[in-house]
Amino acid sequence: QVQLVESGGGVVQPGGSLRLSCAASGFTFSSYGMHWVRQAPGKGLEWVAFIRYDGSNKYYADSVKGRFTISRDNSKNTLYLQMNSLRVEDTAVYYCAKETGLYSSSPVDMDVWGRGTTVTVSS
Amino acid sequence: QSALTQPPSASGSPGQSVTISCTGTTSDVGGYNYVSWYQQHPGKAPKLMIYEVSKRPSGVPDRFSGSMSGNTASLTVSGLQAEDEADYYCSSYAGSNNLLFGGGTKLTVL
Repeated sequence: QVQLVESGGGVVQPGGSLRLSCAASGFTFSSYGMHWVRQAPGKGLEWVAFIRYDGSNKYYADSVKGRFTISRDNSKNTLYLQMNSLRVEDTAVYYCAKETGLYSSSPVDMDVWGRGTTVTVSS
Repeated sequence: QSALTQPPSASGSPGQSVTISCTGTTSDVGGYNYVSWYQQHPGKAPKLMIYEVSKRPSGVPDRFSGSMSGNTASLTVSGLQAEDEADYYCSSYAGSNNLLFGGGTKLTVL
């Protein structure tokens, strides 16, 4: 079955770094754009980043631009999020999600979600 | 860019219909036919319920429907059931490869 499994979350101090991973299975990973979406405790969803199916284009929310980097390894069916210069306000559950459309070049909607991994930024 | 505007709460009795609104601008909701709706139960991942304004993914009951008028999109849940109680989020493509979410609406089945 189609599945996304995130890992790599944890507790980190402000200014620190963390790398999240998302292992995909059950679909042709290399044919779909992928997203990271986060949800702060008790808050709503916030789109973080999108990467095109072939990795050629990457787009970010203003709140993480210059600090976070999305990447993918299609040979390993894995999506990544490198998070640097972390702030307290980055504390959230981070979900990876699959773009609905085949070969989509823009972030539009997400039809498959992982269960999330929790990132806590605290001193 | 600001989040899309949703009412914080909505409610209805079993069997009734309820509509949740999602208001944006001509730069997002009103500018593209790319509005989606997600259902999230407590402690769970979001689930896509409606995409491209009014399309339903396979497996989503036809009790869920979407529409749009001007800068406001709407999700209607007909024949409310207890399991429909959840948080609902809209999202919209906002141009320049940006995606916006609404603040979320907590739907209570009375």
